[in-house]
Amino acid sequence: GDSVTQMEGPVTLSEEAFLTINCTYTATGYPSLFWYVQYPGEGLQLLLKATKADDKGSNKGFEATYRKETTSFHLEKGSVQVSDSAVYFCALGLRGYNKLIFGAGTRLAVHP
Amino acid sequence: DVKVTQSSRYLVKRTGEKVFLECVQDMDHENMFWYRQDPGLGLRLIYFSYDVKMKEKGDIPEGYSVSREKKERFSLILESASTNQTSMYLCASSPRTVNTEAFFGQGTRLTVV
Repeated sequence: GDSVTQMEGPVTLSEEAFLTINCTYTATGYPSLFWYVQYPGEGLQLLLKATKADDKGSNKGFEATYRKETTSFHLEKGSVQVSDSAVYFCALGLRGYNKLIFGAGTRLAVHP
Repeated sequence: DVKVTQSSRYLVKRTGEKVFLECVQDMDHENMFWYRQDPGLGLRLIYFSYDVKMKEKGDIPEGYSVSREKKERFSLILESASTNQTSMYLCASSPRTVNTEAFFGQGTRLTVV
């Protein structure tokens, strides 16, 4: 069935380090892909999205490229900050009803 | 500002009680979702509704039911609460249009004792 697989966390980095969080998916057809972020004590909010192959989503210094050939949507940031500490969720949106399927989430901790 | 509002932030219930979790959205979205969030397991879909009175089971529907009598309101019902239903519950809504994002409520942390 349709699913999303993310790298396990937690990921612990020093400030200004490079971040990659891996995400791969399995889906019939051509889903939309999303990254959501959950800051402590809050609900999820959209970070970025890509709607078709080779699209690049970007926001707040984060980027992810929709790779159909590898069924991947890896999240990257060149220089993380302490304020980026949060849980990051990769998700796919299925055509038809726009049903959303989430990965397990990856906790990021950034230290000064 | 768009809003998804869950009726309670924290809830403590006893084993065997019938529990109602309410969610209201003000964006006229067709889709509404109930997820459960547990450490190490991420978000798991309990139920999904794509229209009034329409529902579809998610990955973990056992022990839960839902009700959507009006477009803006989606209720999650625990028929007989058990301790293994202690969790964070997240409601979300989205347009049915593909490529659009979902909006989430703040979550309800339910403890069953």
